[in-house]
Amino acid sequence: RKEVEQDPGPFNVPEGATVAFNCTYSNSASQSFFWYRQDCRKEPKLLMSVYSSGNEDGRFTAQLNRASQYISLLIRDSKLSDSATYLCVVSNYGGSQGNLIFGKGTKLSVKP
Amino acid sequence: DAGITQSPRHKVTETGTPVTLRCHQTENHRYMYWYRQDPGHGLRLIHYSYGVKDTDKGEVSDGYSVSRSKTEDFLLTLESATSSQTSVYFCAISESERGRWGYEQYFGPGTRLTVT
Repeated sequence: RKEVEQDPGPFNVPEGATVAFNCTYSNSASQSFFWYRQDCRKEPKLLMSVYSSGNEDGRFTAQLNRASQYISLLIRDSKLSDSATYLCVVSNYGGSQGNLIFGKGTKLSVKP
Repeated sequence: DAGITQSPRHKVTETGTPVTLRCHQTENHRYMYWYRQDPGHGLRLIHYSYGVKDTDKGEVSDGYSVSRSKTEDFLLTLESATSSQTSVYFCAISESERGRWGYEQYFGPGTRLTVT
């Protein structure tokens, strides 16, 4: 089982739609969780950290389920500018220190 | 945006030649990282640094070396470039106040390296 798994998509949605991305991770000892977004041919940019209680930032909501080792990202009222690849990222203790484990990303395309 | 620059931004080189990529930060962050990104693999850690002259290997360190002589600069060297090292290389930085683990990383713009 891969350490961090995401549905690669692409997710093609109309403007205004609500879209949800899911991610599972294999290491139950994982401690920190993030969502990054990456535009085509650009660097990954931190979208939001994911806290145990769940957190919201405007149209974006992240949830963590430690028991199921599952992370989600919900985007409401999608905008054209939300088109990007969304990377699920997990930080583990031990192993390569300071290592963030990246999923391969889920591609989102928002259409007019 | 975090103050991270990478140079060069694009490079084409021949197999067997040495290549050095530079990452420069103006944030005075303690931790610096080098990743490569390839289709089908996502981002993979090559090496990282937890202070001046303190470095360690990541997941895919074979064929790469690093050096950090100043807080602001982290160099990645391909001693003898191979075609399998054609990739996009990203540098990242993170703070250390919350400890070594699990703190957000911020990425530079990347270097596209082609080895022919």
